[in-house]
Amino acid sequence: DTEVTQTPKHLVMGMTNKKSLKCEQHMGHRAMYWYKQKAKKPPELMFVYSYEKLSINESVPSRFSPECPNSSLLNLHLHALQPEDSALYLCASSQAGTSGRAAGELFFGEGSRLTVL
Amino acid sequence: AQKITQTQPGMFVQEKEAVTLDCTYDTSDPSYGLFWYKQPSSGEMIFLIYQGSYDQQNATEGRYSLNFQKARKSANLVISASQLGDSAMYFCAMRGLNSGNTPLVFGKGTRLSVIA
Repeated sequence: DTEVTQTPKHLVMGMTNKKSLKCEQHMGHRAMYWYKQKAKKPPELMFVYSYEKLSINESVPSRFSPECPNSSLLNLHLHALQPEDSALYLCASSQAGTSGRAAGELFFGEGSRLTVL
Repeated sequence: AQKITQTQPGMFVQEKEAVTLDCTYDTSDPSYGLFWYKQPSSGEMIFLIYQGSYDQQNATEGRYSLNFQKARKSANLVISASQLGDSAMYFCAMRGLNSGNTPLVFGKGTRLSVIA
């Protein structure tokens, strides 16, 4: 079982809906990530949170709004999405400030598969 | 900037045979980590193996080994004794290790199909 839990696993929404994706980890990691993955493509970084502060935003449209309410939770709020936003959204977490594999490895959730109609 | 190149979009291997998936990288970071992840059709990214840039020996994890050639900037994954369950997408990735939250950069992936 993955130690990063994402909900929901599947989401279908209309272009006028507001929904949220949730991600939770209890490994004490202080860095959390959102990646977007289109079919047959590699994951693309969207956002990075470090110690609950947004540290990287890869020029993501404002219809995607991340939130990190505490060190264990990461949300992605969705509003007025387009059909081309349909993708697998992966959450990941990692340690910060250590060396070797422990510093580098990202732990991924199973993803939330989003379909925008 | 970091870049990962996987030149094999798809590979086929006979069950029980070994297969090598290629990965080359480019980075200006003096300290970095190289990773291989497996992604089955379910979508989860499964960690396979890690190689640190200062590690002297090639990493091994069960049937997985990493052929690390630092001078050539290559980090090929070797899967021995392939199984049908190995059929999946495989991503090579790297990350700078100088700060705690640098993102993981992925290659385009190689789809491996294991044939019975």
